[in-house]
Amino acid sequence: AQRVTQPEKLLSVFKGAPVELKCNYSYSGSPELFWYVQYSRQRLQLLLRHISRESIKGFTADLNKGETSFHLKKPFAQEEDSAMYYCALSKNQGGKLIFGQGTELSVKP
Amino acid sequence: ETGVTQSPTHLIKTRGQQVTLRCSSQSGHNTVSWYQQALGQGPQFIFQYYREEENGRGNFPPRFSGLQFPNYSSELNVNALELDDSALYLCASSGGTGERQWGYTFGSGTRLTVV
Repeated sequence: AQRVTQPEKLLSVFKGAPVELKCNYSYSGSPELFWYVQYSRQRLQLLLRHISRESIKGFTADLNKGETSFHLKKPFAQEEDSAMYYCALSKNQGGKLIFGQGTELSVKP
Repeated sequence: ETGVTQSPTHLIKTRGQQVTLRCSSQSGHNTVSWYQQALGQGPQFIFQYYREEENGRGNFPPRFSGLQFPNYSSELNVNALELDDSALYLCASSGGTGERQWGYTFGSGTRLTVV
């Protein structure tokens, strides 16, 4: 079964500390992986996707097919990074997204 | 370019009633997907419409149905509402060209409460 697991519901760090939001997936094939973010009172928006290998707002995510993981990392957290983060997978371009339960990141001053 | 707009933003219905939620897709997008997000959960895929045809469906009963119109806007209809249908309903459009094909644009959602 296709599934995305985000083991942490809440992650709290201090400003300037490194951040890693964990995401594991189960899928028999080569899915496309995404991270979506939802800031307070804003809509869900795409943060990054693994196929583009980009860094957005200092965040990066590496797809590890052996461990079926797609963890989101940032070396130095900022207060404005506080938000809900959702990991998601899709089996093909334009296909349905399967979301994890989300991790709330709280960055304290 | 305009984003995805959903209406209404909030709605309260009684168990057993029917509800229609509306979504206007982003300009240039021909695909609309609907998601249900229960409190504390990630969004769950309901179904997708591409050029007015259903193009995939999640694990939702037939009382969840939809439509897509020639202008690519869409409706989500839910019949015989149950208390568990209380959730945030998200609409997402996609289908631009080039790099934008991978980007889903989400609306702000409709918060449905069933009492």
